[in-house]
Amino acid sequence: EAGVAQSPRYKIIEKRQSVAFWCNPISGHATLYWYQQILGQGPKLLIQFQNNGVVDDSQLPKDRFSAERLKGVDSTLKIQPAKLEDSAVYLCASSSAGQGGFTQYFGPGTRLTVL
Amino acid sequence: AQSVTQPDIHITVSEGASLELRCNYSYGATPYLFWYVQSPGQGLQLLLKYFSGDTLVQGIKGFEAEFKRSQSSFNLRKPSVHWSDAAEYFCAVVTNAGNMLTFGGGTRLMVKP
Repeated sequence: EAGVAQSPRYKIIEKRQSVAFWCNPISGHATLYWYQQILGQGPKLLIQFQNNGVVDDSQLPKDRFSAERLKGVDSTLKIQPAKLEDSAVYLCASSSAGQGGFTQYFGPGTRLTVL
Repeated sequence: AQSVTQPDIHITVSEGASLELRCNYSYGATPYLFWYVQSPGQGLQLLLKYFSGDTLVQGIKGFEAEFKRSQSSFNLRKPSVHWSDAAEYFCAVVTNAGNMLTFGGGTRLMVKP
């Protein structure tokens, strides 16, 4: 079974530029999550989707971050414009329905550097 | 709000020695508990999880963890550490309301030859 796929793996941009990250979850997983992991810290949830609807986006800086999951499968996270403090690893995770759905499986992440 | 504390930021052990990584959580009811490992430049890999039942759970790579309700702890153990275990370890909890995963700050494990 293929795992969670993310691209790109690395991205370097200058502040005020835009960037987008892509995630494809494990096949059949209804729930998709985006996390931000700043160096030296644990991941922090940005947004959670159930199919193509948003369940929780309370930690998403909505003035610059946006995310979508239009067909309930893959998802895109965008930052526009980027700030220096957005430098982090962006992790995508997915989980299935039911009690086993509490287990989240993570992709390799995208490391973003904002100069 | 739930929270997770990993008191040890860094731990160094000799190869072959035993290991215990501490994790304490704050939540009113029994949460679902997880340990993940992250190698440099990699995503998070699930080591083990506790939902209910036997409080001693076995995971991959020879790791185990014990849930102690009275201490609000879920410490990770391994009887004999290998050099390949050097990585960052994260404890995490989720409540059954919303499935939001809350992580501790992580413990970086270094293994001496």
